[in-house]
Amino acid sequence: KAGVTQTPRYLIKTRGQQVTLSCSPISGHRSVSWYQQTPGQGLQFLFEYFSETQRNKGNFPGRFSGRQFSNSRSEMNVSTLELGDSALYLCASSARLAGGTRETQYFGPGTRLLVL
Amino acid sequence: AQSVTQLGSHVSVSEGALVLLRCNYSSSVPPYLFWYVQYPNQGLQLLLKYTTGATLVKGINGFEAEFKKSETSFHLTKPSAHMSDEAEYFCAVSDLSGGGADGLTFGKGTHLIIQP
Repeated sequence: KAGVTQTPRYLIKTRGQQVTLSCSPISGHRSVSWYQQTPGQGLQFLFEYFSETQRNKGNFPGRFSGRQFSNSRSEMNVSTLELGDSALYLCASSARLAGGTRETQYFGPGTRLLVL
Repeated sequence: AQSVTQLGSHVSVSEGALVLLRCNYSSSVPPYLFWYVQYPNQGLQLLLKYTTGATLVKGINGFEAEFKKSETSFHLTKPSAHMSDEAEYFCAVSDLSGGGADGLTFGKGTHLIIQP
């Protein structure tokens, strides 16, 4: 099976702009989670989407949003970029069992965003 | 709330020596525990996980970890270090096998350096 893919791999934006990142999960996985990785804060959970619905959300401002499509692909959007949004954004996909329990998360290579 | 503490942001060992990366967790419910590895400019790769059952867990690339409830620890070991093991290692905890409402909670990471 192909792994989790993320596009683009690198992005440079300026303050105030917005950006959209894309994630394609492993085939058959319907849960997609997003994480932000920075040197100072480490890895932090942004949100999770399952069946086109946001299921869980971390402690991030409303500038960070996402969506999921019927084919389970997910996009993450950050509006009004700030310098502090420079980070590696990781997407992880997992299966969900019939009872709703999420299986192990498998990560993509990430999108490195630099905000100038 | 869950938390993870990884002792030592950098650990240096000689090639062929024992690798020991320490992880202690805090969880109000029986935890699920994970070790991920991150190579430069890449995403996270799952090394091993503990969910239930046997407390000694074997993973990929010769790594293993032991869940010790009384010590709230999940230390990662490898008998003989190889140059290719040089990477960043993350310990993570959740209340579900794939991450609970807050996703996976990660430690700050330990950079493993292998001396020739």
